[in-house]
Amino acid sequence: SQELEQSPQSLIVQEGKNLTINCTSSKTLYGLYWYKQKYGEGLIFLMMLQKGGEEKSHEKITAKLDEKKQQSSLHITASQPSHAGIYLCGAAGGIARGKLIFGQGTELSVKP
Amino acid sequence: NAGVMQNPRHLVRRRGQEARLRCSPMKGHSHVYWYRQLPEEGLKFMVYLQKENIIDESGMPKERFSAEFPKEGPSILRIQQVVRGDSAAYFCASSPWQGARETQYFGPGTRLLVL
Repeated sequence: SQELEQSPQSLIVQEGKNLTINCTSSKTLYGLYWYKQKYGEGLIFLMMLQKGGEEKSHEKITAKLDEKKQQSSLHITASQPSHAGIYLCGAAGGIARGKLIFGQGTELSVKP
Repeated sequence: NAGVMQNPRHLVRRRGQEARLRCSPMKGHSHVYWYRQLPEEGLKFMVYLQKENIIDESGMPKERFSAEFPKEGPSILRIQQVVRGDSAAYFCASSPWQGARETQYFGPGTRLLVL
């Protein structure tokens, strides 16, 4: 079965610093999703990547999917306290499968 | 367009009672997914439903748990005879279609506490 591993598990950065979160899959990714979860709340959709080499950006967050479609990275530029939360990568269980498999999450804290 | 709605947001039950969790998908979405987030664990898939059909229940515990998505009304996740180990956050998500390229949008979750 497919597994997703995220690194690091937790991260503390100073406001204004850049950071990267990685997500590695044991199998080829058909669709890779990034979500953000604030403590005690639901998941907010950030971005979805499908094609090898694809890169998407939204405000100061950029996500990439490698050419082999087994690894994705999420990069935050000039971090702000509002970026704090838990970042989750999720992958479709198959090209026609509905369920998502999630990594264990990366907890980000941003110090003012 | 309202997002995915879940209620109640918090639910307290005593061991042996029943818990009913409701999920109303986004307008126009006919695919509903339930996930569970246990304390200190990741988010795990439970069940995937379309209207009046269970498509994939591979993540559902074999006993005490059931789910439905009737033709009219919200999707219901039902847990009978709850035990302390059922304490968790239960999230519902919806999408307009199925498949790897369809984004799932999540509700705020129901936090179940079993005393």
